[in-house]
Amino acid sequence: DTGVSQDPRHKITKRGQNVTFRCDPISEHNRLYWYRQTLGQGPEFLTYFQNEAQLEKSRLLSDRFSAERPKGSFSTLEIQRTEQGDSAMYLCASSLRGSNEQFFGPGTRLTVL
Amino acid sequence: AQRVTQPEKLLSVFKGAPVELKCNYSYSGSPELFWYVQYSRQRLQLLLRHISRESIKGFTADLNKGETSFHLKKPFAQEEDSAMYYCALSGANFGNEKLTFGTGTRLTIIP
Repeated sequence: DTGVSQDPRHKITKRGQNVTFRCDPISEHNRLYWYRQTLGQGPEFLTYFQNEAQLEKSRLLSDRFSAERPKGSFSTLEIQRTEQGDSAMYLCASSLRGSNEQFFGPGTRLTVL
Repeated sequence: AQRVTQPEKLLSVFKGAPVELKCNYSYSGSPELFWYVQYSRQRLQLLLRHISRESIKGFTADLNKGETSFHLKKPFAQEEDSAMYYCALSGANFGNEKLTFGTGTRLTIIP
C-alpha cells in the first residue's frame, strides 16, 4: 500500500498520560498535515510541514501538543498530559508542493479515559 | 476567517432520484473548493475540486462566487453513493493550502 499510513490505529489511555502518534506520508510528498476530528464535526486543521519545517500551527494546538518531522519524511504528533477533551480521531494527510490535493491516512482514534 | 457551512447533517434520497448536497463558504481571498467523501470503513478521499471542472462518479459541483456556494449534484442517485460528504476550502495562494471543512452531510440512498 503506497498511501498515507498512521500508527497506531487506536489508542486508549488514561488522563494525564502522554501519547505519540506516527504518520508516514506518500513517499514523494513534501507537505504533511495533521487534522483532528471530533464526533459530528469535520476535520479541523492542527499543523503542517513542508519537508522538515513546521510552517503553521493552529490555535487549537495547545502547549501540550507538539509535532515533528525530523527528516522531512514521517511525522510524529505527541500529546502530553492528555485530557478527556483530547479524545478524537487524529488524521494525517500529505500532498505535493504546488498541489492542493491532500491524501488522507486512516486516522488514529484516541480515547482518553 | 474562512468558514464552510453544510446545512444538512442528514439527507435521504431514493435510488434514481436527483441529489443535491449544499455547501456555502466565506473566504476573503480567492478560494479553492473541494468535495471529500468517506465511504463506510474507508479513509477520507477527494471526490472533486472546482478547478478541475470534472464529473466524478456522476457528481458535479459548480463554484458560484456570487452566492458563495459549491453545491454537489448528481442527477440519478445510486446505492453506492451512500457515504459521508464533506465540503472543504483552501486558499488558492501559496502558503495557504490548509483545508477548512464543513461539518459534513451523511447521504443515504434508499433502495
